[in-house]
Order: sequence, then structure tokens, then C-alpha cells
Amino acid sequence: KAGVTQTPRYLIKTRGQQVTLSCSPISGHRSVSWYQQTPGQGLQFLFEYFSETQRNKGNFPGRFSGRQFSNSRSEMNVSTLELGDSALYLCASRVNTEAFFGQGTRLTVV
Amino acid sequence: QKEVEQNSGPLSVPEGAIASLNCTYSDRGSQSFFWYRQYSGKSPELIMSIYSNGDKEDGRFTAQLNKASQYVSLLIRDSQPSDSATYLCAVLYSTLTFGKGTMLLVSP
Repeated sequence: KAGVTQTPRYLIKTRGQQVTLSCSPISGHRSVSWYQQTPGQGLQFLFEYFSETQRNKGNFPGRFSGRQFSNSRSEMNVSTLELGDSALYLCASRVNTEAFFGQGTRLTVV
Repeated sequence: QKEVEQNSGPLSVPEGAIASLNCTYSDRGSQSFFWYRQYSGKSPELIMSIYSNGDKEDGRFTAQLNKASQYVSLLIRDSQPSDSATYLCAVLYSTLTFGKGTMLLVSP
């Protein structure tokens, strides 16, 4: 059974640009959550989607957005990138209570 | 604000010893608790889940839950250098909330 797949694995972007990250959950998992991980703040919740609907949202500015498609694949978008957006972005696929993470996308903003 | 607290460490133990990792949480209504292991540069990996008071054992790992004290712990028996990683405690409220993790260092 394939795990959670995130693409791309690495990205380098310039301040002011926008970026789109992709996540394909484990087959049959309808819940997808996104997290930002930085050394100082740890894992911070961005948002959760279930059956194409945003179910929960963390405390991030509106520059961070997401969506989920009918096949449960999810994308997150960050517009007007700032240096502080440099982080590891993790996607987690959940069935019932247990969540499983993808390999993450390492975003560097220069 | 629902919180999960862990000591950042590092917790240093010699090979073969028992490593004890601790976590407290703020919401008494929580029902689901998890431990993740994260190696440097990698993503978190689920290693234990626990839902009821008491102990749950899986190989060298034992998770302990005390809902009255709002306390979760992870014991690693016969610690190995390959156990050196950051251990994240997570609690499922409406969303999965993580502590900042405890770094474990196992020396040969």
C-alpha cells in the first residue's frame, strides 16, 4: 500500500513569489492535514480537508490556502512568499484517529 | 488554547538503558494520544497510539496514559543508538496537536 506522497520534495523561491505544494494521501484516506515545521515553532497546524471541505483551519494568514479534490489529493498554496515561510511543509493523511505523514516539502525562500 | 508540553531535551541515555519521555496536555476531554519519532531531516513516523488509561506495549516501546493527571509517557527499553531521534507527543483534539518534541540521544 503506497504511503502519503508529497511533491515536490525541495523548492527554492524568491520573496514575493507564490508556490503550490501537492499531497496524495494513502488510498482510502479522505482526511488530509497540512503542517508547517520550523526549528523554533515545531509542528504547527495549517488546515485540514475532508471530502473536499475545509474542516479546520490553524492560525495562519490568508496567504496560506488549500483545497482538496474529489480523489482526495490536496494542494496548498502560499502567495506573496516571505523569508519566514521557509520551512518543512508536511501533509498527513488520516483514517479514523491515526495520521500518517508524507516525506514533506522543504521550502526555502530567498 | 489547547496545548501539548514536552521537555525539549536532549535526553541522553547509554545504550541498553531505559529512556523515559514525558508529555502533558491541557484538555481533559482528549481521548486519543500518539507518539511519533522523527529522525533529523525526515518526516514524523507514528510509533504508538494509546486511547485508554494504563500501559500499552509494542516491542521495546511502552506508552503510558494517565488521564486524571493529563500525562502521557513513552518508555523505550534496551535503547539503541538507532533510537536517537526527536520524539513528538500528539493529542487529538478537533485537530492533531503536537508538542515541540524531545530529542533523545543514545550513546554506544
